[in-house]
Amino acid sequence: QITLKESGPTLVKPTQTLTLTCTFSGFSLSTSGVGVGWIRQPPGKALEWLALIYWDDDKRYSPSLESRLTITKDTSKNQVVLTMTNMDPVDTATYYCAHRLRETAVRAFDYWGQGTLVTVSS
Amino acid sequence: EIVMTQSPATLSVSPGERATLSCRASQSVSSNLAWYQQKPGQAPRLLIYGASTRATGIPARFSGSGSGTEFTLTISSLQSEDFAVYYCQQYNNWPPALTFGGGTKVEIK
Repeated sequence: QITLKESGPTLVKPTQTLTLTCTFSGFSLSTSGVGVGWIRQPPGKALEWLALIYWDDDKRYSPSLESRLTITKDTSKNQVVLTMTNMDPVDTATYYCAHRLRETAVRAFDYWGQGTLVTVSS
Repeated sequence: EIVMTQSPATLSVSPGERATLSCRASQSVSSNLAWYQQKPGQAPRLLIYGASTRATGIPARFSGSGSGTEFTLTISSLQSEDFAVYYCQQYNNWPPALTFGGGTKVEIK
């Protein structure tokens, strides 16, 4: 059974760096084809993809946010970490991590964490 | 960046009726399209990928069709648990980006 759970601060100040951790079980990020992504959703708004990391450490970022994002993995701990620099109130959102569906060339997400709401405010 | 446009923004449907949701891409995404369902306070749930393949455990009343720039999600007979927001997502323009539509809310008429 695959599960994912996000953790991190619920409140950050403008200009600070956000660090979120996704802890998962039921799969290994050392297995070929496996990927974990981050997606966010501002209150009442649509989903926005942020980043994706693969089992081979290939990393992909949203072009509009690439300069602010870093995604890493710790295979031994079954964790994926996302950092986002220079936080702004517009970054207030629920942040989800999700497991990439293991079908060739499919970048959709079949298991999601419950999400964590991050508020950016001074 | 490929822009995904969903219509209508809100769809009012009676239980038992058919619901038809549309998703349009600003350029061709072939069949590289997924649909998700999201209920209030919950994470999205994958319904369809490859434009028409149901994900594991998804009821047969959900079906997807289309290719290129025009896609449709059909719910053949709405059940009470189907009232939710639905999002499409393209993964053809990869790299660099995965993009979601703005969502369609299916509400009780």
